[in-house]
Amino acid sequence: GDSVTQMEGPVTLSEEAFLTINCTYTATGYPSLFWYVQYPGEGLQLLLKATKADDKGSNKGFEATYRKETTSFHLEKGSVQVSDSAVYFCALRGASGSRLTFGEGTQLTVNP
Amino acid sequence: GAVVSQHPSRVICKSGTSVKIECRSLDFQATTMFWYRQFPKQSLMLMATSNEGSKATYEQGVEKDKFLINHASLTLSTLTVTSAHPEDSSFYICSARPSGELYEQYFGPGTRLTVT
Repeated sequence: GDSVTQMEGPVTLSEEAFLTINCTYTATGYPSLFWYVQYPGEGLQLLLKATKADDKGSNKGFEATYRKETTSFHLEKGSVQVSDSAVYFCALRGASGSRLTFGEGTQLTVNP
Repeated sequence: GAVVSQHPSRVICKSGTSVKIECRSLDFQATTMFWYRQFPKQSLMLMATSNEGSKATYEQGVEKDKFLINHASLTLSTLTVTSAHPEDSSFYICSARPSGELYEQYFGPGTRLTVT
């Protein structure tokens, strides 16, 4: 079945540091890939997505590129801010349906 | 727009009692809602998919008699944990799909259930 593996957290960075959160997946066919973010006390929000190989999703300075050859969708940001502190979830939607499969989530803390 | 609320945000109940969790789409109609469960430091696991006016579809391994789902209107779905036990303690998250959309889901903030 489909699965998503995320880099283990928690991750702690200083403000303006470079961020990478690794995400790899297993799926048949051509899934769509997503990053969701959950701020404290709030619901999951869609951060960015990519629906086909080599697509790059981007939003709020975050980027992720759909790499089919390495089955990866790593999240990156060049300069993190304290306000980026949250839990980040990588997810996929299989080619055959509408169900989302989530990774374990990565807690990011950015210190001033 | 596209706000989903859950009530309560936290609940503590005694073993053997039942607890109801509400999921509401505040500014859109949702034919389909999803219920997830999240254990500490683990991913969200889909429990069931509920469709307005019909029976919910449960994932393998989820007891439908224990986790009762009702989706009686286009803006409200409820999850009732019956005869709760400490192992039911978890974070329950719902999401709602706007009517007419194929894939989009908007998530609620979650409900922390603790069974003592």
